Amino acid sequence: DAGVIQSPRHEVTEMGQEVTLRCKPISGHDYLFWYRQTMMRGLELLIYFNNNVPIDDSGMPEDRFSAKMPNASFSTLKIQPSEPRDSAVYFCASSETGVTQPQHFGDGTRLSIL
Amino acid sequence: QKEVEQDPGPLSVPEGAIVSLNCTYSNSAFQYFMWYRQYSRKGPELLMYTYSSGNKEDGRFTAQVDKSSKYISLFIRDSQPSDSATYLCATASGTYKYIFGTGTRLKVLA
Repeated sequence: DAGVIQSPRHEVTEMGQEVTLRCKPISGHDYLFWYRQTMMRGLELLIYFNNNVPIDDSGMPEDRFSAKMPNASFSTLKIQPSEPRDSAVYFCASSETGVTQPQHFGDGTRLSIL
Repeated sequence: QKEVEQDPGPLSVPEGAIVSLNCTYSNSAFQYFMWYRQYSRKGPELLMYTYSSGNKEDGRFTAQVDKSSKYISLFIRDSQPSDSATYLCATASGTYKYIFGTGTRLKVLA
């Protein structure tokens, strides 16, 4: 079974550029989550969707960050303009309905902003 | 104060040892407690999921929750080099919003 698929795996770009991260959740999962992981702050939830609708975006750090889920099989996280402090590993996760259902993670996008 | 505190390690143990990994949390509303394992350059994978207080066992892994002291533990018996990874604890209060610890790096030496 295919797990959560993220692309690209690595992204290196210069400050000020637009960055788009992509995620394909597990088929049939109703919930999709975007996380950011850094050494200092660990894994932080940025935003999550239920049935393609954003439910909680309180973790989105600034207006430079935006996320969309146009359909059940695709989501994007966009940073515009990017800054060096945005460098981190960004993970997408998905789960079935039910708080007891585990969140399954992709292998992340390692983002470096120069 | 962070909502979930976890010693970053690294923790080095010999193969076959019993490993104890721990987290403390501050919000008494947390009811769901998870342990994830994360290998280098991979995403976290769920190891254990417990609700409220008590113990849960799965093979060599035992998760323990003490809500009175806001303390959660993961024990690994007969540790193997393949257990070398970062272990993340996480909590939730009944919503889908997980709060993660920063992770403990474990190294099991052959």
